[in-house]
Amino acid sequence: DAKTTQPPSMDCAEGRAANLPCNHSTISGNEYVYWYRQIHSQGPQYIIHGLKNNETNEMASLIITEDRKSSTLILPHATLRDTAVYYCIVSPPTGGTSYGKLTFGQGTILTVHP
Amino acid sequence: DGGITQSPKYLFRKEGQNVTLSCEQNLNHDAMYWYRQDPGQGLRLIYYSQIVNDFQKGDIAEGYSVSREKKESFPLTVTSAQKNPTAFYLCASSIDSLLRTGNYGYTFGSGTRLTVV
Repeated sequence: DAKTTQPPSMDCAEGRAANLPCNHSTISGNEYVYWYRQIHSQGPQYIIHGLKNNETNEMASLIITEDRKSSTLILPHATLRDTAVYYCIVSPPTGGTSYGKLTFGQGTILTVHP
Repeated sequence: DGGITQSPKYLFRKEGQNVTLSCEQNLNHDAMYWYRQDPGQGLRLIYYSQIVNDFQKGDIAEGYSVSREKKESFPLTVTSAQKNPTAFYLCASSIDSLLRTGNYGYTFGSGTRLTVV
């Protein structure tokens, strides 16, 4: 299964864009990139996912490189409430032994400061 | 509103006792999952179920048991065999575990914090 690498922590000023990177160099053609976030003592919240095209929704944008080996989650105007742990996850391949399960790593602790 | 409900929010257990954590969803999701989270750590998968009356062990199933008698419910029992049960337990569901739409949009509950006293 494709593994992901994220920086352990990042800071961002309120009102600025937060750009959270993720490396997934072993990703294969049918594996999606998913982003979740977890605010302290709550369950994780789904943010966005993509295969190869860039995606945007009301929460964030997801930029996936052309070779699909890395991606960036963009929060365009970060607020204090965006302070959370952000998880980048590659969905397991269809039919593999991990099929049907998501594996959450350590994620990136994003701190938005005034 | 549809959602996933975990209860109780806080639970205290004496050593040697079994305890059951509740997880109910009204989203009509096929798949349900139990994760454990320790302080400062990511989530680790305990058990998951893709359909009613079927479930599979995750990465850390020892000391835990589950049942899936109804689509809406996936209770987790923490048995006395679990050596370090104190943790934050999270239940999740997804509409389809078979990736028919590439949709792994898990919905999580708010969690149960279990403490052994």
